[in-house]
Amino acid sequence: AQSVAQPEDQVNVAEGNPLTVKCTYSVSGNPYLFWYVQYPNRGLQFLLKYITGDNLVKGSYGFEAEFNKSQTSFHLKKPSALVSDSALYFCAVIFSAVTGGGNKLTFGTGTQLKVEL
Amino acid sequence: EAQVTQNPRYLITVTGKKLTVTCSQNMNHEYMSWYRQDPGLGLRQIYYSMNVEVTDKGDVPEGYKVSRKEKRNFPLILESPSPNQTSLYFCASSLSTRGQGYHYGYTFGSGTRLTVV
Repeated sequence: AQSVAQPEDQVNVAEGNPLTVKCTYSVSGNPYLFWYVQYPNRGLQFLLKYITGDNLVKGSYGFEAEFNKSQTSFHLKKPSALVSDSALYFCAVIFSAVTGGGNKLTFGTGTQLKVEL
Repeated sequence: EAQVTQNPRYLITVTGKKLTVTCSQNMNHEYMSWYRQDPGLGLRQIYYSMNVEVTDKGDVPEGYKVSRKEKRNFPLILESPSPNQTSLYFCASSLSTRGQGYHYGYTFGSGTRLTVV
């Protein structure tokens, strides 16, 4: 079955340290991968996406993610975390942009990132 | 400004009283979708629409209805709300990219927090 998983409910990081939020997927074929962020009482904001090409994708607010096909992962990273990065992060996948209903965005369960001073 | 507008932002209602949550986008997007967000479950698709008068069920359609009479509007209807429909609801839209091998991702509304008592 096609799915996307975020194995950590919460990640705690000290400000200034690097952060990683993990995402893995299970799919046949090539996925389109996305990261979204949700701040309290706000909607979802797009961070970055991988469609094709370079495996390292750079996005908004200094975030980047690396697509690893062999490990079926798309981990979100940032070299130096800020307290303002504290939010709920969602990994999402579109499994096919070709077949019927192929625009469906399937979400992971979310990872709460807490950055402390 | 390109956006997806949902109304209302907050709604408290009683069991069985029909309600409609409106969604409108100004980007001429063909594809629109409704999601509900629940703790520990991430976002789950309720219904989606590929174009005007074309709608289909998502993963959790029970208890919901939608319509797509105009390209810009995609209202979510709860004919007889129940407490298990208490949730945070998001409307989203995107360009339809079937067959193009690319995806622009979704634009999300700010959300509607619904409480059914």
